[in-house]
Amino acid sequence: QKEVEQNSGPLSVPEGAIASLNCTYSDRGSQSFFWYRQYSGKSPELIMSIYSNGDKEDGRFTAQLNKASQYVSLLIRDSQPSDSATYLCAVNYGGATNKLIFGTGTLLAVQP
Amino acid sequence: GAGVSQSPSNKVTEKGKDVELRCDPISGHTALYWYRQSLGQGLEFLIYFQGNSAPDKSGLPSDRFSAERTGGSVSTLTIQRTQQEDSAVYLCASSLARPGNIGGYTFGSGTRLTVV
Repeated sequence: QKEVEQNSGPLSVPEGAIASLNCTYSDRGSQSFFWYRQYSGKSPELIMSIYSNGDKEDGRFTAQLNKASQYVSLLIRDSQPSDSATYLCAVNYGGATNKLIFGTGTLLAVQP
Repeated sequence: GAGVSQSPSNKVTEKGKDVELRCDPISGHTALYWYRQSLGQGLEFLIYFQGNSAPDKSGLPSDRFSAERTGGSVSTLTIQRTQQEDSAVYLCASSLARPGNIGGYTFGSGTRLTVV
């Protein structure tokens, strides 16, 4: 059973702080990694993708991938109350399928 | 269209009835996926269509669930003899991904199914 694990939270951070969201996955053959944000009652929206080891930055968001440790994280700098949402980690295990396996998500609460 | 369109947005049905959920993907997207999300839970994979290839049905929870994709575009997810545990939000997504070249999904707004 290929799994994607996330701490369900809630993760509470003050406004302006760095929020760090973590995700581990079970299969070393995994090739593609994604972070989605889901506001309450809404659909997930893609915010970051990462395919190789290291850091990838996009505005206030940085995705970090460590394939040796089977670990992917998302950092949100200068957190804003509007960042309050559930963050879903998703992993593609490669091969002929484009299917993503999603974690259960981490609820982030940014306190004003 | 500009986004992934799903209909209906809400569906209340009696236990034992059949339901059909529709998904119209982004024009040109070859891959289409169905997931479901129960209250407070993560996304559960149901089925995946890629171009003209045979669909990946490995996530369908029982033989009451089926899906088809006509003409490489619109997809219909059918649930026969609905049960209360089928109550969830059913999400459709599409992507440009080809095998070995995966990209992120664009999700529709979902169909909230309630079985009473």
